[in-house]
Amino acid sequence: DGGITQSPKYLFRKEGQNVTLSCEQNLNHDAMYWYRQDPGQGLRLIYYSQIVNDFQKGDIAEGYSVSREKKESFPLTVTSAQKNPTAFYLCASSIGAPGGTEAFFGQGTRLTVV
Amino acid sequence: AQSVTQLDSHVSVSEGTPVLLRCNYSSSYSPSLFWYVQHPNKGLQLLLKYTSAATLVKGINGFEAEFKKSETSFHLTKPSAHMSDAAEYFCVVSASGTYKYIFGTGTRLKVLA
Repeated sequence: DGGITQSPKYLFRKEGQNVTLSCEQNLNHDAMYWYRQDPGQGLRLIYYSQIVNDFQKGDIAEGYSVSREKKESFPLTVTSAQKNPTAFYLCASSIGAPGGTEAFFGQGTRLTVV
Repeated sequence: AQSVTQLDSHVSVSEGTPVLLRCNYSSSYSPSLFWYVQHPNKGLQLLLKYTSAATLVKGINGFEAEFKKSETSFHLTKPSAHMSDAAEYFCVVSASGTYKYIFGTGTRLKVLA
């Protein structure tokens, strides 16, 4: 089945550690996105990528980094510079320019700092 | 710039009664509009989308939405609520040629037995 796979589903991190969240899609989509979800705030865009080897900062990129070496993969690293990383992280993809085309979402990764 | 306002953070309805979730948008360009549903600790699932075709859009699970340009609204409705509809709903806007989706803050729907 085509879709987006995020792993792991739950992730625990000690303060000061970097962690990487995985996102893989087999939809042959060009564009991929990372969102952060906090209660009552909707989804906020962290980074997005329109094509391989290219990505752009979203609204809350500080403390995060990404790479896009393959069309299918868009991993997100939460660095120790991120002050409040505990949140639900969602990866998405779309065919291309989103005007008129919907995004498809993974099942999310819940990151908790312990 | 685009923005989305979901007018109610929580809505409660009784099972079998109509559902109305309200969404207003702002966009300088001809927008595309979407409604997504999210069950706890899950990803988002597309309910329906408007992309400048028919103004009344039918989606999955009996939901529909009407695009009203004069009111800049895209409210989500369902004639009869089911217990399984209890979830969080997001209204989303995007503009042609952009790579960004703008999300509302969500409406949590509670369905009472």
